[in-house]
Amino acid sequence: EAQVTQNPRYLITVTGKKLTVTCSQNMNHEYMSWYRQDPGLGLRQIYYSMNVEVTDKGDVPEGYKVSRKEKRNFPLILESPSPNQTSLYFCASSSGYNEQFFGPGTRLTVL
Amino acid sequence: AQRVTQPEKLLSVFKGAPVELKCNYSYSGSPELFWYVQYSRQRLQLLLRHISRESIKGFTADLNKGETSFHLKKPFAQEEDSAMYYCAPYGTYKYIFGTGTRLKVLA
Repeated sequence: EAQVTQNPRYLITVTGKKLTVTCSQNMNHEYMSWYRQDPGLGLRQIYYSMNVEVTDKGDVPEGYKVSRKEKRNFPLILESPSPNQTSLYFCASSSGYNEQFFGPGTRLTVL
Repeated sequence: AQRVTQPEKLLSVFKGAPVELKCNYSYSGSPELFWYVQYSRQRLQLLLRHISRESIKGFTADLNKGETSFHLKKPFAQEEDSAMYYCAPYGTYKYIFGTGTRLKVLA
């Protein structure tokens, strides 16, 4: 089944403790992206990747890192999480100018 | 600056009534235009895109390049249409999502 998977789905952590949210797709898509969803603010793009080893900042990249070493994986790294990064995170992938396929979301709480 | 405006945060309509969710965008070049929907506790999924000109679940969207709008319409709302709707232009690898409109269809 074609899909985008994220892990973990739920995470509660403390300020400053490094964490990684994984994202994987099995559709051979070139484009992958991370978003955060906050009430009243909609979806905001954090980082995106056009292909392996090619990444660029979205609208809200501060406090986040990404890497794209393999086509199927696009992990999101929070080196030193802070409470303002408490949010619902979505990974998505697409091919060209086609629709994005979204993961199920990761709800992160930083205490 | 690239921007998407969805002026209504919440739109409530009665079942069977027409519905229009507004979207105005400011985006350099000629973006491809999408509407995504998020049902309760589900992931976002594509509702429709301008280039395909399809009608999905009874929804259509008209692109007005002069007004840079891409409003979503349905003539007769159903209760199962209750969801969060996002307008999203896309161009040069960047998606811009609006803040979303929550549609509530009342019985």
